[in-house]
Amino acid sequence: NAGVTQTPKFRVLKTGQSMTLLCAQDMNHEYMYWYRQDPGMGLRLIHYSVGEGTTAKGEVPDGYNVSRLKKQNFLLGLESAAPSQTSVYFCASSVSHEQYFGPGTRLTVT
Amino acid sequence: GEDVEQSLFLSVREGDSSVINCTYTDSSSTYLYWYKQEPGAGLQLLTYIFSNMDMKQDQRLTVLLNKKDKHLSLRIADTQTGDSAIYFCAEIRDNYGQNFVFGPGTRLSVLP
Repeated sequence: NAGVTQTPKFRVLKTGQSMTLLCAQDMNHEYMYWYRQDPGMGLRLIHYSVGEGTTAKGEVPDGYNVSRLKKQNFLLGLESAAPSQTSVYFCASSVSHEQYFGPGTRLTVT
Repeated sequence: GEDVEQSLFLSVREGDSSVINCTYTDSSSTYLYWYKQEPGAGLQLLTYIFSNMDMKQDQRLTVLLNKKDKHLSLRIADTQTGDSAIYFCAEIRDNYGQNFVFGPGTRLSVLP
């Protein structure tokens, strides 16, 4: 039981490049989330999903897209990366009211 | 949305008690949480309290909830160097999905 895993762990992008972050969970959780963490700002919700095939916007969705084609996977896409998207990205899944987090992806956009 | 607030830094000596404070905003939040984040790692759920409770104790951790003032605190007894981390307060808001709202985190430094 790996819990929540994220791929990749680190990435450096140039402005305008695209990439996809993968989150996988093996706990059969319905809810999945993508957050970004910036110094002094806590975690801010980018997008979330309440089940396979569904997605919804969170607090800071601009510049990101997501897909949940399979229950266990939640993908976060950046179509045209900007320096303001330099951050640490965390995926989480939840059952009932308890959230479980992945280890994070550190993304730098130059 | 409205913010969950925490002080950003706290330093204590090893063996002392630590008290980390948080003010939240949504009086209808059903659960309030404390998460711990160690360097380079994700958030780990430490403990949570249901909104109809005033206090919850779990080994060295004591959570106090004052609903009238919307104030939550986490007390760590006999603080150890392994407790050095960032501690996040969070509330759950069900306006859409299960939306968890986090404070900015308190960095706890434990001095020998």
